[in-house]
Amino acid sequence: ETGVTQSPTHLIKTRGQQVTLRCSSQSGHNTVSWYQQALGQGPQFIFQYYREEENGRGNFPPRFSGLQFPNYSSELNVNALELDDSALYLCASSPGLAGALAKNIQYFGAGTRLSVL
Amino acid sequence: AQSVTQLGSHVSVSEGALVLLRCNYSSSVPPYLFWYVQYPNQGLQLLLKYTTGATLVKGINGFEAEFKKSETSFHLTKPSAHMSDAAEYFCAVSVAGAGSYQLTFGKGTKLSVIP
Repeated sequence: ETGVTQSPTHLIKTRGQQVTLRCSSQSGHNTVSWYQQALGQGPQFIFQYYREEENGRGNFPPRFSGLQFPNYSSELNVNALELDDSALYLCASSPGLAGALAKNIQYFGAGTRLSVL
Repeated sequence: AQSVTQLGSHVSVSEGALVLLRCNYSSSVPPYLFWYVQYPNQGLQLLLKYTTGATLVKGINGFEAEFKKSETSFHLTKPSAHMSDAAEYFCAVSVAGAGSYQLTFGKGTKLSVIP
């Protein structure tokens, strides 16, 4: 069983640029969530995708956007990068969305570390 | 809205000593509670979870946690610390809302194990 994989592992960008981060969900998982983990902080929820639709969003501006593809892989796009966007971006997949699924375990990838200079 | 407070950003214990990492949560609905561990330069790995039923939950690597509704706590314990337990630990709460569900994390507790 293949776990959650993210690419790239590290990325350096300059302020104002755009970036795309990629995530392949675990086999059989149709829900993908993205989190931002700033240095010394816990992960913060950015948004969640279920069957190619955004299914919930945290307190992040519209320049953070995403996509989910038919194979359930996902992208996180960030436009007009700011210095504060420097963080570890984590992708997590889970097996479904129905009923009391908040208890479903979210399986995390190793993350993409983004540095904005 | 839900929230998580982890008391102590850094905890040091001696090898073989008891590990106790504290977590308190706030939630207006029955929560699901999780503990994750993060090793340096890695993602998050689930240690254990509480959904319903037995309030004492056993996880991997000898860790366990007890859900205490009256105290809104979900503290993580391990009877005897091992050097390999040195990592950062995150407590998280999950509730369903508006068709989605998300994890709300605490700020984490970094555990150091002294030989």
